Amino acid sequence: QQQVKQSPQSLIVQKGGISIINCAYENTAFDYFPWYQQFPGKGPALLIAIRPDVSEKKEGRFTISFNKSAKQFSLHIMDSQPGDSATYFCAASPRSGGSNYKLTFGKGTLLTVNP
Amino acid sequence: GAGVSQSPRYKVAKRGQDVALRCDPISGHVSLFWYQQALGQGPEFLTYFQNEAQLDKSGLPSDRFFAERPEGSVSTLKIQRTQQEDSAVYLCASSPQREQYFGPGTRLTVT
Repeated sequence: QQQVKQSPQSLIVQKGGISIINCAYENTAFDYFPWYQQFPGKGPALLIAIRPDVSEKKEGRFTISFNKSAKQFSLHIMDSQPGDSATYFCAASPRSGGSNYKLTFGKGTLLTVNP
Repeated sequence: GAGVSQSPRYKVAKRGQDVALRCDPISGHVSLFWYQQALGQGPEFLTYFQNEAQLDKSGLPSDRFFAERPEGSVSTLKIQRTQQEDSAVYLCASSPQREQYFGPGTRLTVT
């Protein structure tokens, strides 16, 4: 059972465009939703995260939109740059502490930004 | 400051060999997680430590996998009698609370 579904699997965007990656979850106990960026040969790097008490969070060119009723959240990358080309993962973890903070990841989206 | 470090970065093992993978977390982080990332997939949870206590090992795929964190800092993931299906990137993450910070991973190839 895939608890976090991510789409699209791959995405090609022109420089300056908007990249949008979507995720849907099933477990209503999830209450923390981070996005990670991973370059080849590197570990995932935390980009931005959101809790369900807000519908949107923005940090620089990165914005998370969150729809609690639909159990969906998305990452928007504004003014996409070739340096943004990487694999992006959404993830989720439930509200209980300790080991329950373990992350459940989506399968990833390979983003290519053409110059 | 220093992030999470892992060693070795690459490991090639012959089927049946034992391997040990090391994780140095960010200083002061109580929580430590191990994940396994297959090629083209998202990381999957293996095990969790709070200080030196292993509180969750539900993600370990078999009893050939063993992890420890004896002094509540450095952690070691050991895989005994490696099999080809163990080939993956093994990621360590440390966390002060909710945010998890990942190391670069160890790429294990079993031949």
